[in-house]
Amino acid sequence: QVQLQESGPGLVRPSETLSLICTVSGDSISSGTYYWGWIRQPPGKGLEWIGSLSYFGSTYYTASLKSRAIISVDTSKTQFSLNLGSVTAADTGVYYCARHTGYCDTAGCYNIWYFDLWGRGTRVTVSS
Amino acid sequence: DIVMTQSPLSLPVTPGEPASISCRSSQSLLHGNGYNYLDWYLQKPGQSPHLLISFASNRASGVPDRFSGSGSDTDFTLKISRVEAEDVGVYYCMQALQTPPTFGQGTRLEIK
Repeated sequence: QVQLQESGPGLVRPSETLSLICTVSGDSISSGTYYWGWIRQPPGKGLEWIGSLSYFGSTYYTASLKSRAIISVDTSKTQFSLNLGSVTAADTGVYYCARHTGYCDTAGCYNIWYFDLWGRGTRVTVSS
Repeated sequence: DIVMTQSPLSLPVTPGEPASISCRSSQSLLHGNGYNYLDWYLQKPGQSPHLLISFASNRASGVPDRFSGSGSDTDFTLKISRVEAEDVGVYYCMQALQTPPTFGQGTRLEIK
């Protein structure tokens, strides 16, 4: 059974970098079927897709965070990470990693069909 | 980005009664392949969201058949035929036609 688990510091100082890891158990990120993404949820608000990583190594980001976000995979292919730079209080929230299907290639991700597996989420607070 | 609008935002329901949630998109979600790229998710209290329905009407594995999705183009509906206590939570629609995928504001279903 495939599971996702987020980990990382719960508190980040303003202007610093938020770093989170998603550990994938029961599957490999390079298995060739799925994409792996990050979604966040500010307190009391809805869901926002941050970006995704493809099994062939391409990355895709929402435009508003593209200048600050980096998603990467580790060499074991069982973890992927999110680094979000220059954080402010607006970046406070619960961060989820999630698996999805879709139609993406090296030029872009044209549609994300559905997120079929989610981690439990990790709460991040940006505060001094 | 495609804007998703749900209604109502709050939905009190008596157990055993039906429930319906509406979702409208600012652009058509009908793909040239004939599929509507619209998903429904449920976020139970204290949990992460989970997929209920994809492509407007395809129930995800393990989802009870009291949940059904319908609609096309810009208007979609999630129906619960008989609400149970375990159905409480926030329901989100999400458009999957374009990147970035965008979510509705959420509809909070509560038991009367």
